[in-house]
Amino acid sequence: QKEVEQNSGPLSVPEGAIASLNCTYSDRGSQSFFWYRQYSGKSPELIMFIYSNGDKEDGRFTAQLNKASQYVSLLIRDSQPSDSATYLCAVNSSGTASKLTFGTGTRLQVTL
Amino acid sequence: KAGVTQTPRYLIKTRGQQVTLSCSPISGHRSVSWYQQTPGQGLQFLFEYFSETQRNKGNFPGRFSGRQFSNSRSEMNVSTLELGDSALYLCASSPARNRISGANVLTFGAGSRLTVL
Repeated sequence: QKEVEQNSGPLSVPEGAIASLNCTYSDRGSQSFFWYRQYSGKSPELIMFIYSNGDKEDGRFTAQLNKASQYVSLLIRDSQPSDSATYLCAVNSSGTASKLTFGTGTRLQVTL
Repeated sequence: KAGVTQTPRYLIKTRGQQVTLSCSPISGHRSVSWYQQTPGQGLQFLFEYFSETQRNKGNFPGRFSGRQFSNSRSEMNVSTLELGDSALYLCASSPARNRISGANVLTFGAGSRLTVL
């Protein structure tokens, strides 16, 4: 079992719709959870991070965390073609705060 | 504010050679981490340096090494290159752990794309 799992996609959503990206993790001691966006040929850029159970909103993005289910998700409202990218989920495990474990990413395609 | 700067951006080497990659973190950031990204394995943690000390290390062979200088700049070295070392090598810097969450928020550089022939 991989430490951080994501559906590779592609996830295709029409422009203006809500895109829902999911991630599960295996380490129950995980403390912080990150979503990075990576455009093709570019480096990952941070969208947001969450560390408490519940929802965290930032503009069109909402991260949701459920530690009991070991599940974190990212919702993108009003999806735009510019949101088309690979979304990487990363987990900051207990005891190794400096190390992030990444999922392999979900490719999102926003269609016109 | 300048971002994380990595050099060189692209390089081609042959098997058996060695390579050194450089990373200059964001001003004021003392932690530098290195990751390898390949299509099959995704992003994998190599090591992290803080105040010139290796604070954490991933599961890579000893051919992969790094160091950090007093100005926080970091280098990583790969010796005896293998075909499988072809990858995008990403450097990331962070200021410090978030006091509330404990999160170590990374900012990545553009990467050094290494091709081993």
